[in-house]
Amino acid sequence: GNSVTQMEGPVTLSEEAFLTINCTYTATGYPSLFWYVQYPGEGLQLLLKATKADDKGSNKGFEATYRKETTSFHLEKGSVQVSDSAVYFCALSAITGGGNKLTFGTGTQLKVEL
Amino acid sequence: DAGITQSPRHKVTETGTPVTLRCHQTENHRYMYWYRQDPGHGLRLIHYSYGVKDTDKGEVSDGYSVSRSKTEDFLLTLESATSSQTSVYFCAISEPKNEKLFFGSGTQLSVL
Repeated sequence: GNSVTQMEGPVTLSEEAFLTINCTYTATGYPSLFWYVQYPGEGLQLLLKATKADDKGSNKGFEATYRKETTSFHLEKGSVQVSDSAVYFCALSAITGGGNKLTFGTGTQLKVEL
Repeated sequence: DAGITQSPRHKVTETGTPVTLRCHQTENHRYMYWYRQDPGHGLRLIHYSYGVKDTDKGEVSDGYSVSRSKTEDFLLTLESATSSQTSVYFCAISEPKNEKLFFGSGTQLSVL
């Protein structure tokens, strides 16, 4: 079956530091890959996505590249801000006749300090 | 923000009691989902619906049932709550062929 593995958190960084959150996946076929972000007390929001190999998703300074050869989709940001403090979830999709059923990783909490 | 309202936002109940959580959307999206979020597990799919009266099980459906009598409402019922069902429950919606899910703000359920 499908699965997503994320690096353990929490990750604590100083403001303006470089961020990498690792994500690898196991899936049959060619899934789409996503990063969702959850701010405290809120639901998840789509941060970025990539639908095929070598695609790069980007949003709000975050980037992730779909690497089929390493089955990875690592999230990066060159300079984090305190406002980036949140939980980040990597996910893959399997669209079937019953909609888009996402498989999520366990989430990585990011804390950015001044 | 997508128009998704979950109710209640917080609930404390006792083991063995029935509990119903409600998800209401104003987006007229066809697909609706219930997920639970637990530390160390991320989000796991409980049940989903692909239309009025059309529902199916997700990966952790035991102990849960759902109903969708109208496009806008998707109910999750715990027939006899257990402590293992203490969790944060999220509703999500999406459209056919659109991979983006929109999530509600969640319901914190505690079963004592």
